[in-house]
Amino acid sequence: KNEVEQSPQNLTAQEGEFITINCSYSVGISALHWLQQHPGGGIVSLFMLSSGKKKHGRLIATINIQEKHSSLHITASHPRDSAVYICAGVGGSRLTFGEGTQLTVNP
Amino acid sequence: NAGVTQTPKFRVLKTGQSMTLLCAQDMNHEYMYWYRQDPGMGLRLIHYSVGEGTTAKGEVPDGYNVSRLKKQNFLLGLESAAPSQTSVYFCASSYPSRMRQGANTGELFFGEGSRLTVL
Repeated sequence: KNEVEQSPQNLTAQEGEFITINCSYSVGISALHWLQQHPGGGIVSLFMLSSGKKKHGRLIATINIQEKHSSLHITASHPRDSAVYICAGVGGSRLTFGEGTQLTVNP
Repeated sequence: NAGVTQTPKFRVLKTGQSMTLLCAQDMNHEYMYWYRQDPGMGLRLIHYSVGEGTTAKGEVPDGYNVSRLKKQNFLLGLESAAPSQTSVYFCASSYPSRMRQGANTGELFFGEGSRLTVL
């Protein structure tokens, strides 16, 4: 069992749909990153949070440290949101990554 | 401000050859990391550094060496390349949080990746 697990592994949506990607972890962490990896391969940091909720444009990330669970929501999804979304738990100076969720948004 | 730069972007090696990947960051970050990404697996930590002159092993350190002689550079070396080291390598850097001593909660910045093929 991975220390950081994401669900679903693959997600296909129609443009405009509300999307949720989940991240659960079994290790103690102090914070969690949500990352986005586009087909070209580059990885971009979307959020870093240790409690509560953060919002940036159409993206919302929430975390409950006690329940060891985080979610990434995308409102009004668009084909350009198609990418792999990765969560990573912070423990000390190291991170533990989930395997990623492949999101495809069809027009 | 270039962020995190990795060189080279692509390389093909023969088994047994050696090479060095260079990661450079211009954000004065303390922490730097080398990861490998393979199909069906999450990013796996090879080695990392929490400051100039310091390095530590990650999850999959065998077959790799690193050096952090200057704060802005983190080098990953393959002494004798093997086909199992065919992968995409990512460098990342961040700063440690000032809010929680010892915990790295700083934003992560990644390089564009280096695709290495070992024949």
